[in-house]
Amino acid sequence: GAGVSQSPSNKVTEKGKDVELRCDPISGHTALYWYRQSLGQGLEFLIYFQGNSAPDKSGLPSDRFSAERTGGSVSTLTIQRTQQEDSAVYLCASSLGGQGAYEQDFGPGTRLTVT
Amino acid sequence: KNEVEQSPQNLTAQEGEFITINCSYSVGISALHWLQQHPGGGIVSLFMLSSGKKKHGRLIATINIQEKHSSLHITASHPRDSAVYICAVGTSGSRLTFGEGTQLTVNP
Repeated sequence: GAGVSQSPSNKVTEKGKDVELRCDPISGHTALYWYRQSLGQGLEFLIYFQGNSAPDKSGLPSDRFSAERTGGSVSTLTIQRTQQEDSAVYLCASSLGGQGAYEQDFGPGTRLTVT
Repeated sequence: KNEVEQSPQNLTAQEGEFITINCSYSVGISALHWLQQHPGGGIVSLFMLSSGKKKHGRLIATINIQEKHSSLHITASHPRDSAVYICAVGTSGSRLTFGEGTQLTVNP
């Protein structure tokens, strides 16, 4: 079946512009995660959605970052007034359940470059 | 000190060798994950375990809850196993906490 998909695959934007990244999770997966991987760095948790519960936003690095998940399915990660340090690969993952206790299926990522 | 530590950071092996990658963690966990990241960047979940041992083909993962330690073994390694292997732990909260990864290179 279809895996997790993300769009766009690559995004180049000018400093100060807003960007929206999209994630389509696997159908039926109630949990959705956003992660970030900066060049040469490890994975960093950003935000987690589980069903209808309030999202865990504790990993978002600043108030320029926000995310929403509509209808318990598609999610968008929005970065306002992008900065060069926002350049990274943004990964989305989904799983059948949450609490980090279910295998996560990862999308291919969106490579964001802020010039 | 990181909550999740992996060793070694880098590992080079010859084809056919038995490989072990270690992961230690310092927090209570709901589960431990081993992930594989290929040079193209795609991430694949290899194992999720909360006790004992799991085996998929040439890959074996073990966890010792009391010692807060897990190992990933690769038997009969092959150049296509070359990748970054990442240990991550799920805690009672929602997030995964990741190790820094182990870069494995298997030479023919």
